[in-house]
Amino acid sequence: DGGITQSPKYLFRKEGQNVTLSCEQNLNHDAMYWYRQDPGQGLRLIYYSQIVNDFQKGDIAEGYSVSREKKESFPLTVTSAQKNPTAFYLCASSRTGDSNEQFFGPGTRLTVL
Amino acid sequence: GNSVTQMEGPVTLSEEAFLTINCTYTATGYPSLFWYVQYPGEGLQLLLKATKADDKGSNKGFEATYRKETTSFHLEKGSVQVSDSAVYFCALRRLAGGGADGLTFGKGTHLIIQP
Repeated sequence: DGGITQSPKYLFRKEGQNVTLSCEQNLNHDAMYWYRQDPGQGLRLIYYSQIVNDFQKGDIAEGYSVSREKKESFPLTVTSAQKNPTAFYLCASSRTGDSNEQFFGPGTRLTVL
Repeated sequence: GNSVTQMEGPVTLSEEAFLTINCTYTATGYPSLFWYVQYPGEGLQLLLKATKADDKGSNKGFEATYRKETTSFHLEKGSVQVSDSAVYFCALRRLAGGGADGLTFGKGTHLIIQP
């Protein structure tokens, strides 16, 4: 089955530690995205990548980093510089082009203690 | 810049009632518009989309029409079921007119259907 996988579903970390969230897709999509969801705020774009080895900052990139070494994979690192990292993180992918919808993974809930 | 405004929730309806969730947008050019649905603890699923003015997207009894003149994309369903209880997000794809990729989302509307 084609789709997007994110692991783990729940993640706990101590304050000051970096943590990497996994996102893999087998839809053969060129574009991949990371969003952050907070209660009552909708989703906000962190980073996106339209092609391998290239990525761009979204609206709230501070305190996050990404890499895109393979078409299928777009891991997100939440660094200790992110002031409020506890949130639900969603990865998405799509074909390039304005009319193409994004497909979302099941999400990872990160809690920083 | 781009923005999406949708009605605040929660919206509580009885089963078989008519549903409208309002969505208006501000954007450069004519972006594609989407409705996504999120069930508790899950990711988002595409419900429907429209890519140009006067297009009507429809799926599972839901429909929405792209209204350029009112910059709106209201979601409607004629008879809701308990299983429709979820959070609904209106979104636009912001490639139109150039600039960054990605979706701009509204804050979401929590829909509760009572039996």
